[in-house]
Order: sequence, then structure tokens, then C-alpha cells
Amino acid sequence: SAVISQKPSRDICQRGTSLTIQCQVDSQVTMMFWYRQQPGQSLTLIATANQGSEATYESGFVIDKFPISRPNLTFSTLTVSNMSPEDSSIYLCSWGTGLDAFFGQGTRLTVV
Amino acid sequence: RKEVEQDPGPFNVPEGATVAFNCTYSNSASQSFFWYRQDCRKEPKLLMSVYSSGNEDGRFTAQLNRASQYISLLIRDSKLSDSATYLCVVKRSGGYNKLIFGAGTRLAVHP
Repeated sequence: SAVISQKPSRDICQRGTSLTIQCQVDSQVTMMFWYRQQPGQSLTLIATANQGSEATYESGFVIDKFPISRPNLTFSTLTVSNMSPEDSSIYLCSWGTGLDAFFGQGTRLTVV
Repeated sequence: RKEVEQDPGPFNVPEGATVAFNCTYSNSASQSFFWYRQDCRKEPKLLMSVYSSGNEDGRFTAQLNRASQYISLLIRDSKLSDSATYLCVVKRSGGYNKLIFGAGTRLAVHP
């Protein structure tokens, strides 16, 4: 199965700034997914990233706040824009077959 | 109501114990079901898929009851290394792998 590398693994950011998280997959995958895991909570899907088209966002998430790029079938980025302390969370990228999902190592974001 | 609900635990059990986790889902159109394991500060990893006929993988047994919209995971002969959070995961019907995660059940196995 394809391996995902995600970076940065963690960051501490000032409120009002933006952070871009990168995910690289070592083989081509059709769909990539971005999740948020808030402290003590489970994973919530932010959006689905398709190559060559705009990402599809879940209810409660908007493109202006979480712009996503998917320039090719092995790479995607998620930007957390104009950050506030409420954005402190773990962000995970993922890809999947119909039977399984594989995750990056996660980015632990703290906004101060 | 959450789409996937789990008892958050924690379950504190001694080594060798048998422990069972339950999960319910609300969307009757859900088509696939999984248990994932998440270690502290790590990403989730697939433990096993869950089928209507039930399936077993070593010490782990998963059951699905579609009529009751209920999923279970049984761990026999618990090991210290089983300590983790167990996530019940449901795949929505649709063309791609869109997963809905439960909040997880924390298991702590002690000597």
C-alpha cells in the first residue's frame, strides 16, 4: 500500500497567521482526504481532495478557511488560514481503497 | 445525535481479561464497517473490517448486526500492548471512501 508522508509534524503558530500542511504519497492515488482531530475527540472529515478539481468540503468547513490544493495524484496541501486558538488540533491526511484508509502521521497544531 | 456512537471508556482491565466494545450507527444506508486502533499521539490504523457473518483475527472478534445497527469488538486474553483507543468507523454509501469515525473507546490493560 502507498505510504503517506506528512509535514510538519507539529507547529506552534501565532493567531491570525496561516499554516500549510503537506502530504506526499509514494504512489498515485485518486482521492485524498483531510481530517481534523480535536483534543480528546475523534476524526472529523474536513474535505475530499480531487486532482484537477476543487475540493469537496463537509458541512461546517469552508474553502476560505481551509484551502486545499491537489496539483497531482501524489501530493496535496491543506492550509489553515487566519488561525485562532480554536484551530488547535491534529490535522491528518488520508487516502483509501474501498476497504481501508491510510493516514499520514498527523500535524499537531497549537495556536497561541 | 452523532452518526457513530461509542462508549468512551476508559476500560481498565488486567492482562488476560476479555473486554468488549460496542458501537451503534444511525445511518441505515451505511455499507462498510471497521475497527481502527489509535495509539497515543499516533495516526489511526485499521484493526479489522466487520462483516455480517462476523469475523475473527486471532484474539479479536468483530460482529455486525445490521438490523440493530450495532457493531462490536471482542478482545480475548488482553495484552499490555492492546492499550490504545479503538475507533468504530462506518463508511457511508457512495462512490468513494468517505469514513465516519466514532469518538473512540479507550482501553488500558494493566499488569
